Amino acid sequence: DGGITQSPKYLFRKEGQNVTLSCEQNLNHDAMYWYRQDPGQGLRLIYYSQIVNDFQKGDIAEGYSVSREKKESFPLTVTSAQKNPTAFYLCASSSDAGGSDTQYFGPGTRLTVL
Amino acid sequence: AQKITQTQPGMFVQEKEAVTLDCTYDTSDQSYGLFWYKQPSSGEMIFLIYQGSYDEQNATEGRYSLNFQKARKSANLVISASQLGDSAMYFCAMRGNSNDYKLSFGAGTTVTVRA
Repeated sequence: DGGITQSPKYLFRKEGQNVTLSCEQNLNHDAMYWYRQDPGQGLRLIYYSQIVNDFQKGDIAEGYSVSREKKESFPLTVTSAQKNPTAFYLCASSSDAGGSDTQYFGPGTRLTVL
Repeated sequence: AQKITQTQPGMFVQEKEAVTLDCTYDTSDQSYGLFWYKQPSSGEMIFLIYQGSYDEQNATEGRYSLNFQKARKSANLVISASQLGDSAMYFCAMRGNSNDYKLSFGAGTTVTVRA
């Protein structure tokens, strides 16, 4: 089955720790994205990547880092510099980054800072 | 800048009835796309329907249709013959050529279908 997988589903972190969220897709999509969702709100873009070895900051990139070494994978690291990291994180991909291209989402990772 | 407004935080609908979810947008782009997504309580975002700004006909996908009124900058989602499984959060989103690859999302509308 083609799709987007995210792991883990739930993640708990102590303050001051870095954590990495995994996102993998087997849709052969070029573009991948990371969004953050806070309770009762819409999604906000953290980072996106149009092609391997290239990525751009979204609206709320501070305290986050990404890499895109393979087409299928776009991991997100939440660093200790992120002041309020508790949120729901969604990864998405699209076949390219064109205006009409639909983004498809993974199941999400719920991060809680203890 | 692009802005999406969904003014209905929550709605109740009787099973088998139709429901309309409002979405208005603000953009200076000539070319843009409008999307609706469904988010059940499990959290995944499910793509429902797409409307391009130059599409002359309203988009339809099964029980979902998009009432696109370009002059009023509105893109309302209509769900016909509501089912219990339609209970979820619904998000309107848009993407414009000035904003390249970013999807701008509204705050969402919670729909609860009653038996």
